[in-house]
Order: sequence, then structure tokens, then C-alpha cells
Amino acid sequence: NAGVTQTPKFRVLKTGQSMTLLCAQDMNHEYMYWYRQDPGMGLRLIHYSVGEGTTAKGEVPDGYNVSRLKKQNFLLGLESAAPSQTSVYFCASSPPARQETQYFGPGTRLLVL
Amino acid sequence: GENVEQHPSTLSVQEGDSAVIKCTYSDSASNYFPWYKQELGKGPQLIIDIRSNVGEKKDQRIAVTLNKTAKHFSLHITETQPEDSAVYFCAANDYKLSFGAGTTVTVRA
Repeated sequence: NAGVTQTPKFRVLKTGQSMTLLCAQDMNHEYMYWYRQDPGMGLRLIHYSVGEGTTAKGEVPDGYNVSRLKKQNFLLGLESAAPSQTSVYFCASSPPARQETQYFGPGTRLLVL
Repeated sequence: GENVEQHPSTLSVQEGDSAVIKCTYSDSASNYFPWYKQELGKGPQLIIDIRSNVGEKKDQRIAVTLNKTAKHFSLHITETQPEDSAVYFCAANDYKLSFGAGTTVTVRA
């Protein structure tokens, strides 16, 4: 049981480039989340999904898009990266019976130059 | 929406001493309060949680207390060890988790 995995671990982008971050979970969880973590600001919710084919906006959704085509995968896309999107991105998932109990992946560190 | 404040932002303790981190929340509808530990280069890991119908919960050297009236909850770590050094986050859940800004705990040997 790998839990929640994230790909890639680290990436450097130039302003305007696009990329997709992949999150996968093997726990059969219904709920999945994308957060960003910035110094002194804790974790802020970008987008989330309550099931395959559904997504919703979180606290800071601007500049990001997401897709949940398969239950086990949750993709986060940056269409045109900006330096303000330099951050550490965490994916999390939770089971339907305890959706508030979230299990986090190891994170993706993104640097936008 | 929910607003969670966490104090202190940094905490240095001598090995064997206790550490206390405090959080306040704003939404009285919040009913679930987890604590996460994040080690360097890793994702947050749930270490203990408490629901609004419980005042205190213990798990070995860690405990959490909740005061619903005052809207604050605290994490207590007793007999601290070097492996307790990490960033700790509190959170409160109404319809989603809202996180505090984190506390960096350093345990001095």
C-alpha cells in the first residue's frame, strides 16, 4: 500500500510554461484535495474532488485547473505558470466514511522563474 | 469561513520538557480538530485528532484538549525527544479543513 504518491518531486518552470502535477492514491478514497504550502501561511486548499468526474474550487483556485478522470488519480494543471505559483504542492485523500481525515502525499516542490 | 490562528510560530524546548501549542478557531460549527506533524521534506502526517463532543484525548506522549466555549484547542507533548522536532499544524473542520500557519518545534538535546 503506497498511500498517496505525487509526481514529480521537484520541477523548475519558466514563466508562461505549463505543467501537470499528478496525484495517485491506492486506498480507494473518494475525496481528493490539492493544497499549496507557503512559508507562514499553512496549507491552503486549491481544488478538491468528492468523486470521479467531479471537482470544486477551494480557497485559492485562480491559475489552476484540475481533473479527476479516474478515482485513484487527481491532476493539477498550471496553464501559464507565474512566479507567484512557486510553492510546495500537496495532494491529500480521505475515505467517504471519514472525509475530514486526510492523508497527505510527500509533496511537489515547484519553482517558477 | 473558518479562521484558525496558531501560536507560537516557533518553540524551542529542552529534551524531556513539555511543549504546548495553542490554536483558536472562529466558526462555532467546526466539529473536528486534527493535528498534523510535518518533518522536513515530507508531507503532513496526522498524529492525533479530537471531535467536538470530547474535551480531551491522549495517545502516549501527546494529548489534545478542546474548549468549545472559548473556541480553542491545544496540543501537549510530554517528555519531548529529538524526533519530536518538526512543524506542527492544527486544523479545524466545518465543511473543509482550515489550517493554522504552523509551529516549528525544536527539541534541544
